[in-house]
Amino acid sequence: GAVVSQHPSWVICKSGTSVKIECRSLDFQATTMFWYRQFPKQSLMLMATSNEGSKATYEQGVEKDKFLINHASLTLSTLTVTSAHPEDSSFYICSSSGGGTGAYEQYFGPGTRLTVT
Amino acid sequence: TQLLEQSPQFLSIQEGENLTVYCNSSSVFSSLQWYRQEPGEGPVLLVTVVTGGEVKKLKRLTFQFGDARKDSSLHITAAQPGDTGLYLCAGEYGNKLVFGAGTILRVKS
Repeated sequence: GAVVSQHPSWVICKSGTSVKIECRSLDFQATTMFWYRQFPKQSLMLMATSNEGSKATYEQGVEKDKFLINHASLTLSTLTVTSAHPEDSSFYICSSSGGGTGAYEQYFGPGTRLTVT
Repeated sequence: TQLLEQSPQFLSIQEGENLTVYCNSSSVFSSLQWYRQEPGEGPVLLVTVVTGGEVKKLKRLTFQFGDARKDSSLHITAAQPGDTGLYLCAGEYGNKLVFGAGTILRVKS
């Protein structure tokens, strides 16, 4: 399957600061990437769909001005958590779709653990 | 309400036992994926099922897609401690994946 990397793997920041998380598709060009949020022992919650060269599509209830997504190239999408607060602490995971298998599959990055103090 | 109902939510069994995880929906999916996730890592794709009635095997894991493509099951034979993790089903719905709530499996030795 496709290889997706994320950076950083973990980050601790102070309340009110912004944090940028990078998601890279290493071995194929991903026109679409997805950003998820996951709380402990729970499933993944889709935050937004990131499309290369266009605006991201946000899920209901996700603040687009707080979670800024940029998909400037076919291999890189970034998620910036602006003015982070402790309630934003979570595990953020990106994925890319495609790969030419003929079925719809997503390949996930290793995740980024964000802790806001 | 969850579009994809996954059960059970938690499962703690002894090594060597068999188990089945279920995903059910009232909606038809074009395809359905099963993922396994370990703590602090991203989900890893196990299998994709596309055709109604399809059965796929991956070593001790057997995946089945319902005839109507509304449900799926994952059966593990002779579970081992290494099978411990969070198992997630996800259905292709539109251009997105809809995830079940997940099943936390713990296999005790």
